Amino acid sequence: ETGVTQTPRHLVMGMTNKKSLKCEQHLGHNAMYWYKQSAKKPLELMFVYSLEERVENNSVPSRFSPECPNSSHLFLHLHTLQPEDSALYLCASSPAQGEQYFGPGTRLTVT
Amino acid sequence: DQQVKQNSPSLSVQEGRISILNCDYTNSMFDYFLWYKKYPAEGPTFLISISSIKDKNEDGRFTVFLNKSAKHLSLHIVPSQPGDSAVYFCAASMNAGGTSYGKLTFGQGTILTVHP
Repeated sequence: ETGVTQTPRHLVMGMTNKKSLKCEQHLGHNAMYWYKQSAKKPLELMFVYSLEERVENNSVPSRFSPECPNSSHLFLHLHTLQPEDSALYLCASSPAQGEQYFGPGTRLTVT
Repeated sequence: DQQVKQNSPSLSVQEGRISILNCDYTNSMFDYFLWYKKYPAEGPTFLISISSIKDKNEDGRFTVFLNKSAKHLSLHIVPSQPGDSAVYFCAASMNAGGTSYGKLTFGQGTILTVHP
């Protein structure tokens, strides 16, 4: 399988649940990203990992916890989310510089 | 404070005509610009990019123009096709930052509809 994959594609969770989003890239890139896309808003960068080290955390609440066990995998652990966290969560990867390649996203609904 | 803005939420064009999508930025440190296209239920896909040392980059039906003095870039699609109907995002980065990754700042997107 090639490109950037994300699972699950859709997720409905209650505010007290714990769930994880998974991203996998098969492009040999060394940087991976989590974005949030809410309705009618620009993509918001959440986290950046470069060479498995977190290098950016854009004031994201602690109920979102990223994990990058290796250069091909990226997780976003979710805990006690709020309804306003409902959004499309996109993972991307890139070489050191240049364009980012996106996964299809996970549509998250918090009830 | 939105550093990259796409002021037209939507654009409707007839098939075969030119589509022009616009993007403005405020941060003069941006030196690399990209356009992405997004279909429903898919992630954004890279279309075309331009470095600040150029003012034009062309790839088939897609041309990106950069006007640094006006802090403005545009994407021209000619001729437009119904399959081009999608959301188009412009993005900007500061590649000269010397980091080992590229941080992109996105606009809010423009919905392009190409009518047959």
